[in-house]
Amino acid sequence: GQQVMQIPQYQHVQEGEDFTTYCNSSTTLSNIQWYKQRPGGHPVFLIQLVKSGEVKKQKRLTFQFGEAKKNSSLHITATQTTDVGTYFCAETGANNLFFGTGTRLTVIP
Amino acid sequence: DAGVTQSPTHLIKTRGQHVTLRCSPISGHKSVSWYQQVLGQGPQFIFQYYEKEERGRGNFPDRFSARQFPNYSSELNVNALLLGDSALYLCASSLNRVTDTQYFGPGTRLTVL
Repeated sequence: GQQVMQIPQYQHVQEGEDFTTYCNSSTTLSNIQWYKQRPGGHPVFLIQLVKSGEVKKQKRLTFQFGEAKKNSSLHITATQTTDVGTYFCAETGANNLFFGTGTRLTVIP
Repeated sequence: DAGVTQSPTHLIKTRGQHVTLRCSPISGHKSVSWYQQVLGQGPQFIFQYYEKEERGRGNFPDRFSARQFPNYSSELNVNALLLGDSALYLCASSLNRVTDTQYFGPGTRLTVL
């Protein structure tokens, strides 16, 4: 089956610093979704990217889909303690989602 | 409106036993998917059901089965439990297709001793 890799696995940042997580696939992705999972919580949908080169913004979060649709990134500007959690990308198949390995973000106040 | 609900919240079983997990989707959602999330890993797809039919199946053994009822709620059954089945089992609902926004429930934490 598909395999989506995310880097880094862990990231510790000082509050106010920026953060980026990358999602890479060896195959072309039809579209990609991003989720956030707080410690002890469940995944919460953030956004879906469909078009090659697409860029979407949600306040301090910027999502990007690569031109070749083989990679994606999530960038958070000026992190806050509320950003703590694990961020997952997920590749959408015909009837399922294939989640990446996730990046766990820790924000130090 | 209520979100996706799952029961029970926590469950402790011993090896060889059987377990049934339940999920109620958001009202109006016809698709339910099940995922297994082992500690420290991303959710792994188990099943997708739409309009009471299985539409997708992940790489899980036949010990795992599921069904969807006429009211779109769903059950996940796992037979002959193994220690490795210990995980958070997540249910997600969406309007129709899996490419629609997936709304996850709080999960059922299963511990197999």
